[in-house]
Amino acid sequence: DQQVKQNSPSLSVQEGRISILNCDYTNSMFDYFLWYKKYPAEGPTFLISISSIKDKNEDGRFTVFLNKSAKHLSLHIVPSQPGDSAVYFCAAINDYKLSFGAGTTVTVRA
Amino acid sequence: NAGVTQTPKFQVLKTGQSMTLQCAQDMNHEYMSWYRQDPGMGLRLIHYSVGAGITDQGEVPNGYNVSRSTTEDFPLRLLSAAPSQTSVYFCASSRLGGDHYGYTFGSGTRLTVV
Repeated sequence: DQQVKQNSPSLSVQEGRISILNCDYTNSMFDYFLWYKKYPAEGPTFLISISSIKDKNEDGRFTVFLNKSAKHLSLHIVPSQPGDSAVYFCAAINDYKLSFGAGTTVTVRA
Repeated sequence: NAGVTQTPKFQVLKTGQSMTLQCAQDMNHEYMSWYRQDPGMGLRLIHYSVGAGITDQGEVPNGYNVSRSTTEDFPLRLLSAAPSQTSVYFCASSRLGGDHYGYTFGSGTRLTVV
C-alpha cells in the first residue's frame, strides 16, 4: 500500500505561469518531506525539502507547503521555465527510509 | 567528486541467470539503499544499509540479496533473474542525521530479463 500518493500523473503549464504539484501521504510518522526532479536516463536529483514541524519552505522559484492536518503537501514553481520539464517525485522519510510517490510529469509549453 | 556510481548502465539477462549490480559512493556516506522504478509505481525500496556490516529489507526485497563489507560499496545481487525483475534500478546514499537533503542517487541500471 503506497504511503505517498501523487494523483496527477501529468501537468502541462505555459512558460512563465505557476506549476502546482500535489502530494498526499498516510503515514503520520514521516518527519521530512522532499521533492525530487528526474530527467530521462538520469537519477533523481534533490529539489527542496520541508521538516514536518514547518508549514512552508522556499528556495528561489520553488516553494513547498505542508498541511499536516490534511496530510498534504504541494510544490509551487514560479515562474515555470522550459528546463522545468521533467518528472517530479514527492518523497517522505521515516527512520532514514525514503518512500516515493508515483511521480508527476511536468511539461512546460513555450 | 564522482558521487554515486552504478555499473552497468544496461543489462539483458535470461530468466534464471544471476548477476550483481554494482554501486559505489565516494562521499563517506553511512546510509546506502537500492530502489527499483517501475511505470506508475514511483521508486520502491529494495534493501538498505546504515553502515558496513548492517543491512535490512525494504518494501520489495524478494529475489534480491545485498551485503555491505565496506562503507563505499553496496552491491545488489539477483540470484535467479525473473521477468518481473525487469526495471530500472537506482542506488542512493546519504549521511545519517543532519539536514535531509543529502540523498544522492546514481544514474541507474536498466535491467531487462527475457
